[in-house]
Amino acid sequence: GAVVSQHPSRVICKSGTSVKIECRSLDFQATTMFWYRQFPKQSLMLMATSNEGSKATYEQGVEKDKFLINHASLTLSTLTVTSAHPEDSSFYICSARRTSGGPCFGPGTRLTVL
Amino acid sequence: DAKTTQPPSMDCAEGRAANLPCNHSTISGNEYVYWYRQIHSQGPQYIIHGLKNNETNEMASLIITEDRKSSTLILPHATLRDTAVYYCIVKPTDSWGKFQFGAGTQVVVTP
Repeated sequence: GAVVSQHPSRVICKSGTSVKIECRSLDFQATTMFWYRQFPKQSLMLMATSNEGSKATYEQGVEKDKFLINHASLTLSTLTVTSAHPEDSSFYICSARRTSGGPCFGPGTRLTVL
Repeated sequence: DAKTTQPPSMDCAEGRAANLPCNHSTISGNEYVYWYRQIHSQGPQYIIHGLKNNETNEMASLIITEDRKSSTLILPHATLRDTAVYYCIVKPTDSWGKFQFGAGTQVVVTP
């Protein structure tokens, strides 16, 4: 079945540094991927839609200069949290659109900014 | 996209069937009902989806009412590993659109 991986699974960084999170579709091509974040005891919040070969589209209130998204190939999208601060600490989850059925989600990346 | 309403929580005894309701009274004719679940600190997992016929797979059964305004996800023999938040989402299957998550139902399976 369709599998999506994320790397790293967890990361701890210092305030002010940038962190890159990778999302890969392992056995299918994904022209569209989505990035979500989830704070404790809350539901998933959609951040942006990542389209292969074009600019990402961001949800209202999400800073595009802070959360850089690159979707350079049909199997890889990356999310870079620039100049991370403690309030960016969250669980980041990607999903990949399939040709049929619902999207396939990655296992998530736990980001902790000190 | 149609809005969905789910109870915030429910408990279920291990080995018993868990019946999770979802209301989607504004569903359109081309919209599918999807169910996902999220076990703590993991990404959401696809369970099942359907348009108007009842569906069954190795994980669960999906019962959609004839008017399609509500549905029920059935976990036939709940286990402790089924403890998770269950999300009901309505979406056209071939839509380019985004999957938005509501609050879902926190299901706790107890021994």
